[in-house]
Amino acid sequence: QVQLQESGPGLVKPSETLSLTCTVSGYSISSGYYWAWIRQPPGKGLEWIGSVYHSGSTFYNLSLKSRVIISVDTSKNQFSLKLSSVTAADTAVYYCARPHSYSNWNDVGFDYWGQGTLVTVSS
Amino acid sequence: QSVLTQPPSVSGAPGQRVTISCTGGSSNIGTGYDVHWYQQLPGTAPKLLIYGNTNRPSGVPDRFSGSKSGTSASLAITGLQAEDEADYYCQSYDTSLRVVVFGGGTKLTVL
Repeated sequence: QVQLQESGPGLVKPSETLSLTCTVSGYSISSGYYWAWIRQPPGKGLEWIGSVYHSGSTFYNLSLKSRVIISVDTSKNQFSLKLSSVTAADTAVYYCARPHSYSNWNDVGFDYWGQGTLVTVSS
Repeated sequence: QSVLTQPPSVSGAPGQRVTISCTGGSSNIGTGYDVHWYQQLPGTAPKLLIYGNTNRPSGVPDRFSGSKSGTSASLAITGLQAEDEADYYCQSYDTSLRVVVFGGGTKLTVL
């Protein structure tokens, strides 16, 4: 059974860097798939942030690209998100997810999700 | 403003059939990229209902079905049940923006 679990601070100050980690169990990240971060502001829709392969290859949402770094640590079976210079607009529930197919990063749905973690940007 | 347009809300009585539309354009659904659908119950993560336009993951009832034509896609739910009350999202890929895109979401109310 594949499981994903997000972890990290629930409160980040404006202009600082948001850092989250997704720990995967039941599947080895090294075996494939483009692992993704997706967020959802309170009461709003879903926004794809980016995806990472076990090799470290990344694809980012261009609207966030200048502020985002997604990395992978295969030894810990984790992948991480760093979002810099955050503002109140970055307040959201952040999800990590795995696509239904390992064949590519963009033409896929996401069938495994973490429970999500709320990150609030406030001083 | 989402690249994929969904109606904000739909409703139906128990046992009825409802459809939720997802309208895109020539740079996303119209290019041939697949559409995927999610159900999100309050306070929970989205659940994949349909992938690759028409395919249901294991465990998803056959009351849920997807279709795609041209630059649009639809999710149909038959035999509506109270537990179907949730938000529904479509998803695809946009070649111009080079982004995985989601629709704005549709709230389904079971009357």
